[in-house]
Amino acid sequence: AQKVTQAQTEISVVEKEDVTLDCVYETRDTTYYLFWYKQPPSGELVFLIRRNSFDEQNEISGRYSWNFQKSTSSFNFTITASQVVDSAVYFCALSADTGTASKLTFGTGTRLQVTL
Amino acid sequence: GAVVSQHPSRVICKSGTSVKIECRSLDFQATTMFWYRQFPKQSLMLMATSNEGSKATYEQGVEKDKFLINHASLTLSTLTVTSAHPEDSSFYICSARDLLNLGVKTYEQYFGPGTRLTVT
Repeated sequence: AQKVTQAQTEISVVEKEDVTLDCVYETRDTTYYLFWYKQPPSGELVFLIRRNSFDEQNEISGRYSWNFQKSTSSFNFTITASQVVDSAVYFCALSADTGTASKLTFGTGTRLQVTL
Repeated sequence: GAVVSQHPSRVICKSGTSVKIECRSLDFQATTMFWYRQFPKQSLMLMATSNEGSKATYEQGVEKDKFLINHASLTLSTLTVTSAHPEDSSFYICSARDLLNLGVKTYEQYFGPGTRLTVT
């Protein structure tokens, strides 16, 4: 069984602060994929990143960075110099390498509120 | 590329009626589409996996007769909520996998914008 835990339900920061969203996962599969999605108030899911289990290299994309550590089964997401537009719910998700199935298991989400 | 649309975006219906939600992949072919349900301030829960030309695979606890899924073509899947009740009010989201874009994107799902269903 797969499980994704996002322990932080809500985080509130002031603009320009850095913020890290935690994600811990469980899976018995050796090959799997991890994702982060952003869900703004409009509801549409915005894809942020996909990482496969064999690639532990950290990634940076503008103000976003991701830290993948298999040893601790974590895939944390950091926003540097946060902005009001970053306010949204962020979901971490896991997909095992099951061929055509590839079902996504989502965490419960972290609601980020960035204020001026 | 890789755009998924849903129609309608919002629907209000009376208790006891049926509602159909469409999910279309606009610029790619999708053998597999997924249907999720999201209650307010909660996570997305997978309801079923829809495969073109075959019966959908439902997750445990999802009523097949209540949530009818049809995937008649490589670009269209429909979810029909039959005899809807207020507790079916939710945000329904579909996603699709790109059949032809193998390799790196094999396991990526493209999400539709969602359909907000309110049953009165």
